[in-house]
Amino acid sequence: NAGVTQTPKFQVLKTGQSMTLQCAQDMNHEYMSWYRQDPGMGLRLIHYSVGAGITDQGEVPNGYNVSRSTTEDFPLRLLSAAPSQTSVYFCASSRTGGRAYNEQFFGPGTRLTVL
Amino acid sequence: KQEVTQIPAALSVPEGENLVLNCSFTDSAIYNLQWFRQDPGKGLTSLLLIQSSQREQTSGRLNASLDKSSGRSTLYIAASQPGDSATYLCAVLGGANNLFFGTGTRLTVIP
Repeated sequence: NAGVTQTPKFQVLKTGQSMTLQCAQDMNHEYMSWYRQDPGMGLRLIHYSVGAGITDQGEVPNGYNVSRSTTEDFPLRLLSAAPSQTSVYFCASSRTGGRAYNEQFFGPGTRLTVL
Repeated sequence: KQEVTQIPAALSVPEGENLVLNCSFTDSAIYNLQWFRQDPGKGLTSLLLIQSSQREQTSGRLNASLDKSSGRSTLYIAASQPGDSATYLCAVLGGANNLFFGTGTRLTVIP
C-alpha cells in the first residue's frame, strides 16, 4: 500500500493563478480531508468528505474548492491564489468519519508559495 | 471551539532520559486523541490512538494516557534516543469530523 499520496511536493504560484493539489489513497477509506499548516498554528481543517459525492467545509474553507468523484481521490482547488494561502497542505484519510476507532493517516504534504 | 495546547513548545534532553510531553484540550466531548510525530519538512506519522473510552495505549517505548474529564493527555517516551528528535503533535477528534491540533512540542535528544 502506498497509503496517502500527494502531488506536487512543491509549487510556486503567482497571485491570481489557480491550481489543483492532488490527493489519493489506496486504503479504501471513506473519509478524506485537507489541512493546512502554518508556522505557530496547529493544523487547520479546510474541507472534508465522508464518501464519494459528499463534501463539507471545515474551519478555513474560503478560497478553496473540493470534489469527491471517487473513493480514492480528493483534489483541492485553489480558485485564485493569494499570498495568505502560502502554507503546507496535508491530505488525510481514515476508515470512516467521526468514530472513536478512526486512526487518521496523512500524506507527505505539498509546500505552496504564492508570490 | 476546541482548543488544544501543548507544553512545553520545545524540549532538549540527554540521550537515555525518560520524558513526558503534555497535551490539554478544552472540550471533553471527543471521539479520540491521536499523537503524531513530524520530522522537519515531512508529513505526520501516527504514533498512538487512544479512544475516548480508553485510559492509555502503549507502543514500544511510547505510552500515551488520556484523562478525558480533566482534558489532559501525556505521551511518555522511555529511554530517549537521538532518533526520537522530532516535533510531536497531539490532536483530538471532535464533532463534525474535525481533528483539532496543538502546535506541537519540538523534542531534541542530545547524544
